[in-house]
Amino acid sequence: ELKVEQNPLFLSMQEGKNYTIYCNYSTTSDRLYWYRQDPGKSLESLFVLLSNGAVKQEGRLMASLDTKARLSTLHITAAVHDLSATYFCAVNAKGSGYALNFGKGTSLLVTP
Amino acid sequence: NAGVTQTPKFRILKIGQSMTLQCTQDMNHNYMYWYRQDPGMGLKLIYYSVGAGITDKGEVPNGYNVSRSTTEDFPLRLELAAPSQTSVYFCASSQYTSNNSPLHFGNGTRLTVT
Repeated sequence: ELKVEQNPLFLSMQEGKNYTIYCNYSTTSDRLYWYRQDPGKSLESLFVLLSNGAVKQEGRLMASLDTKARLSTLHITAAVHDLSATYFCAVNAKGSGYALNFGKGTSLLVTP
Repeated sequence: NAGVTQTPKFRILKIGQSMTLQCTQDMNHNYMYWYRQDPGMGLKLIYYSVGAGITDKGEVPNGYNVSRSTTEDFPLRLELAAPSQTSVYFCASSQYTSNNSPLHFGNGTRLTVT
């Protein structure tokens, strides 16, 4: 069974600080996804990481993938309040029509 | 471009009632999915479809049924609603390619069973 584990599950950080969210998964997967969800809203795709060593950046967020370690990181640089949301990582579940298995999510709160 | 559209947005059911959650997409995607989201638990796959006429169970299918008569539509049926089915339901679609194929999600249906 494919397991996806994120940590931390809750994160409160001050504006201007840096932090990293970690995502571990239990079996090989050819790609990894990061999503953002605002309260009461749908999920928005942030990054798709397709290969070992892949790195993608968008604004203050940077995601990376190490397929050998089965680890992805989402790094937040100089956090701002607008980044407050829940962040999910997900990997493809084999044999499920390319459905995604999601982690439990990291709830991020950025405070002044 | 509407993307993935779900209806209704909210619904309250009594125990034992049934209902259908509607999902339609206009992106001509072959793959469609139903997830449920419970607080602190991430998303769990209920059913998925790889094309019209083809459906299969996901991780938590009990108490639900689906059909896929067209590429666009993938309704989720709840029979004999139970309090354990109180959740937020998301429909998603994708067109799996070698380059970039995230799931596109609808806005969700918030269901309460009392």
